[in-house]
Amino acid sequence: TQLLEQSPQFLSIQEGENLTVYCNSSSVFSSLQWYRQEPGEGPVLLVTVVTGGEVKKLKRLTFQFGDARKDSSLHITAAQPGDTGLYLCAGGNDYKLSFGAGTTVTVRA
Amino acid sequence: NAGVTQTPKFQVLKTGQSMTLQCAQDMNHNSMYWYRQDPGMGLRLIYYSASEGTTDKGEVPNGYNVSRLNKREFSLRLESAAPSQTSVYFCASGARDWPQYFGPGTRLLVL
Repeated sequence: TQLLEQSPQFLSIQEGENLTVYCNSSSVFSSLQWYRQEPGEGPVLLVTVVTGGEVKKLKRLTFQFGDARKDSSLHITAAQPGDTGLYLCAGGNDYKLSFGAGTTVTVRA
Repeated sequence: NAGVTQTPKFQVLKTGQSMTLQCAQDMNHNSMYWYRQDPGMGLRLIYYSASEGTTDKGEVPNGYNVSRLNKREFSLRLESAAPSQTSVYFCASGARDWPQYFGPGTRLLVL
């Protein structure tokens, strides 16, 4: 049973379009992380959010943590082929991080 | 600055064989982690070490043992490998209570 549900599972868009990935859980987390993973490599941490309602921006990526600290979203503006990858959300308390199954994003040139 | 390094990169074992996966980090991080990644299941925590000298079970610890040799090194041992342990194994480290940096992974096939 996945503690964190990510949607959609797959997303294929044209370069320049926007996209949003969702991460939902019934559990409350002290922190929530987003990672991006490329084939054959380990995940790379993009952002950590710790405060309910928090919004963080990283260039064209916007991350939001839900007020109740149970859900999060990742929005990419004007996607580029370099944004292609597997996006993973993870939430945890005290070192025990649970990962979602991931959203595979493909940005076509 | 190498970050998190793992050895070996690939390994093929027969059922019942044993092996140790090695992990080292050079960022002076307190916490270290071992995860396995299987298709469609995300990453699952096997064991973690909050600081040198301590280790704790994660979500899927059965069939594995770990050693936090010193602050830099955290090894994962399979005493008697089973086909269900075929997976990609990632080591990670962090300054707080979540993994910040992951290694490149070890791809293990158990026949």
